[in-house]
Amino acid sequence: EADIYQTPRYLVIGTGKKITLECSQTMGHDKMYWYQQDPGMELHLIHYSYGVNSTEKGDLSSESTVSRIRTEHFPLTLESARPSHTSQYLCASSDRDRFSYEQYFGPGTRLTVT
Amino acid sequence: KNQVEQSPQSLIILEGKNCTLQCNYTVSPFSNLRWYKQDTGRGPVSLTIMTFSENTKSNGRYTATLDADTKQSSLHITASQLSDSASYICVVSDRGSTLGRLYFGRGTQLTVWP
Repeated sequence: EADIYQTPRYLVIGTGKKITLECSQTMGHDKMYWYQQDPGMELHLIHYSYGVNSTEKGDLSSESTVSRIRTEHFPLTLESARPSHTSQYLCASSDRDRFSYEQYFGPGTRLTVT
Repeated sequence: KNQVEQSPQSLIILEGKNCTLQCNYTVSPFSNLRWYKQDTGRGPVSLTIMTFSENTKSNGRYTATLDADTKQSSLHITASQLSDSASYICVVSDRGSTLGRLYFGRGTQLTVWP
């Protein structure tokens, strides 16, 4: 089982609140990713990082922001949560192998904004 | 447009029976194809990964096949168990970037009944 962790696992919060979803991995992976997944739908990449101090936006536009100050830590922040942000957020990391790009996923955070 | 299509969308089988899930893709240039298992409320877990030169790969009761010419893959589950109930996601990676861009299908929701 992969050593990638996400907290909290479930979060119910009111509109307008600031939230941070935590993601950490102990595998020393350089690349890390955030995906958004709605029920019955495919995963959409919203942010990724090649390494420390590197962050890029993914394919799906998101009002969230990320930071990568340490290799093992890749938190996602929403400054002002809205009901449209209700979704499951999955963090992943991958190793250096260019051609396999095996991605290891965390358990996810189920976010509900009321 | 790079896409991954899976069928069926959902499937119900009885415990002990076999089943086959399908995946068609249009991703180019192709790097590899993976099958992930995602339990409800959890992150995806890799079952198999195949490059263009591999036609079949097994992982216990799971056997994946790949036809790179027709851009089709299948996942065969033998002697199904209740714990096989999950969403099975086909994921294709391209060779076009150092990021190793992943394209996700929407998954087949498998339910195994006793």
